[in-house]
Amino acid sequence: KAGVTQTPRYLIKTRGQQVTLSCSPISGHRSVSWYQQTPGQGLQFLFEYFSETQRNKGNFPGRFSGRQFSNSRSEMNVSTLELGDSALYLCASSSGILNTEAFFGQGTRLTVV
Amino acid sequence: AQSVTQLDSQVPVFEEAPVELRCNYSSSVSVYLFWYVQYPNQGLQLLLKYLSGSTLVESINGFEAEFNKSQTSFHLRKPSVHISDTAEYFCAVSADKAAGNKLTFGGGTRVLVKP
Repeated sequence: KAGVTQTPRYLIKTRGQQVTLSCSPISGHRSVSWYQQTPGQGLQFLFEYFSETQRNKGNFPGRFSGRQFSNSRSEMNVSTLELGDSALYLCASSSGILNTEAFFGQGTRLTVV
Repeated sequence: AQSVTQLDSQVPVFEEAPVELRCNYSSSVSVYLFWYVQYPNQGLQLLLKYLSGSTLVESINGFEAEFNKSQTSFHLRKPSVHISDTAEYFCAVSADKAAGNKLTFGGGTRVLVKP
């Protein structure tokens, strides 16, 4: 059974640009959550999608958005990038049943210069 | 809202010695508890979880954690560590009956196993 796949693994963008990150969950899983990991703020929840609907949202500005497709794959978009958006972005896949374990991808390392 | 505190940011330990990583949480509702491990340049891997039942949970690689509701703690222990246990460990909670699978993480504990 394939794990959670995130692409790309590494990304370098310029301040002001936008970026799209992709996450393919484990086959059969319907929930995808996104987290931002930085040395200063640690792991912070961005949002969760379940059956193409946003089910939960963290405390991030509107520049951070996401969507989920009918095959459960999810994309996360960050517009007008700032230096502080440099982080490891992690995607987590869950079956969709509440409070079950989440399986994480290897993450996308975004560097904003 | 939930919060998680990991009391030690770094724990140096000698190989074959025991280690304990402390985790305390606060929540106004029942929670589910998890420990994740992160190796350099990797994502998070689930070590163990407490959902219900026995308060002592074990992993396949020798770690165990005990849920203590009265002390709102979920400390992680291993009686004898190996060099390969060098990693960062995160305690996390999700709230019962919450809308979704949101995990709230502690700040992490970096374990450095010395030979």
